[in-house]
Amino acid sequence: DAKTTQPPSMDCAEGRAANLPCNHSTISGNEYVYWYRQIHSQGPQYIIHGLKNNETNEMASLIITEDRKSSTLILPHATLRDTAVYYCIVSVNAGNNRKLIWGLGTSLAVNP
Amino acid sequence: DTEVTQTPKHLVMGMTNKKSLKCEQHMGHRAMYWYKQKAKKPPELMFVYSYEKLSINESVPSRFSPECPNSSLLNLHLHALQPEDSALYLCASSQDLGRFRKRGTNTEAFFGQGTRLTVV
Repeated sequence: DAKTTQPPSMDCAEGRAANLPCNHSTISGNEYVYWYRQIHSQGPQYIIHGLKNNETNEMASLIITEDRKSSTLILPHATLRDTAVYYCIVSVNAGNNRKLIWGLGTSLAVNP
Repeated sequence: DTEVTQTPKHLVMGMTNKKSLKCEQHMGHRAMYWYKQKAKKPPELMFVYSYEKLSINESVPSRFSPECPNSSLLNLHLHALQPEDSALYLCASSQDLGRFRKRGTNTEAFFGQGTRLTVV
């Protein structure tokens, strides 16, 4: 029951902005959008999350459309170290906990 | 300290062996998770512990047995595994959502580096 759809791969030139899209057309009103990335052979790393408003932190910006059916993760100045698989995730409540419903991920290659 | 530590990093075991994977965090998080990840796939949730009690079991076979001895430790006991169980096993922790539900706060999960398990 995948809740997110992402392109399987993208390329980006070093120093340029990387814009990673995600569709989550079936998202419910209280479900958050999370982004994690996973560098080869490492554990996933949290990037950012949001509900309705756009969010920005030291790593990235998250732009969520007004209807919440899609979002874009922006890495403003991509570096070679940003080469990773980026997962768009919907966080759903499950009792007293939270379940992350993972997309299949976008493999981002940042090229010199 | 924002680390989740998993041991061992690599494990090779036979189908008749019994082994355990260990996970430790000292961030005061009260929710801990086990995930399984096959190559080129996203992590799949296996178990969730909340306040040291098993909260979610995603229909995982009984050859995988989780244990949460205290709020900082999470174990995964393995017995009679199959070669198809070979995967990267990831542990994660987060602040328990229940405490923050009224405030609408979500906090991120911190992941360990995983244990690469090979069943032969």
